[in-house]
Amino acid sequence: EAGVAQSPRYKIIEKRQSVAFWCNPISGHATLYWYQQILGQGPKLLIQFQNNGVVDDSQLPKDRFSAERLKGVDSTLKIQPAKLEDSAVYLCASSPLGPGNTIYFGEGSWLTVV
Amino acid sequence: AQRVTQPEKLLSVFKGAPVELKCNYSYSGSPELFWYVQYSRQRLQLLLRHISRESIKGFTADLNKGETSFHLKKPFAQEEDSAMYYCALSSGANSKLTFGKGITLSVRP
Repeated sequence: EAGVAQSPRYKIIEKRQSVAFWCNPISGHATLYWYQQILGQGPKLLIQFQNNGVVDDSQLPKDRFSAERLKGVDSTLKIQPAKLEDSAVYLCASSPLGPGNTIYFGEGSWLTVV
Repeated sequence: AQRVTQPEKLLSVFKGAPVELKCNYSYSGSPELFWYVQYSRQRLQLLLRHISRESIKGFTADLNKGETSFHLKKPFAQEEDSAMYYCALSSGANSKLTFGKGITLSVRP
């Protein structure tokens, strides 16, 4: 079974530039998550989609971060403009619909803002 | 608000020694607790969940609601257990995961 795919794996940008990350979840998984993991911390949920609708975006910095999941499959996470504190690993994850299902993670996209 | 606390950042043991990775949580409802593991250069993956009450790779974890703890234990550590371990809590129908900061387990030969 193919896992959660993410790209790019690594990105270095200057502050105030923009960046976009792409995620392809496991086929058939209705729920998609974007997590931010800053060095030395655990992953923090940014946004959760169920199909193409947003379930939770309470911790998404909406002034600079945006995410979409058109057609309820792939998703993109955008940061514009980036700040130094956005340097982190951005993890995409997916799970089947319903509570208690296992969440599967991608390998992550490493962002360094200089 | 829900919170997961992993009080230690690093645990270093010799092969064959017992291991206990601590996890405490705060949540007003009935939580579901998980341990996730990340081996070197691999993705984050589920190790075990409390409702399964199973042993995975020799690891077990018991949910203690009185002490609000979900400590991960293994009686005899192996070198291949060296990894980053995260305790996580899920609540509500949305299955949103809240993670602790994680602990690095290093098992020396």
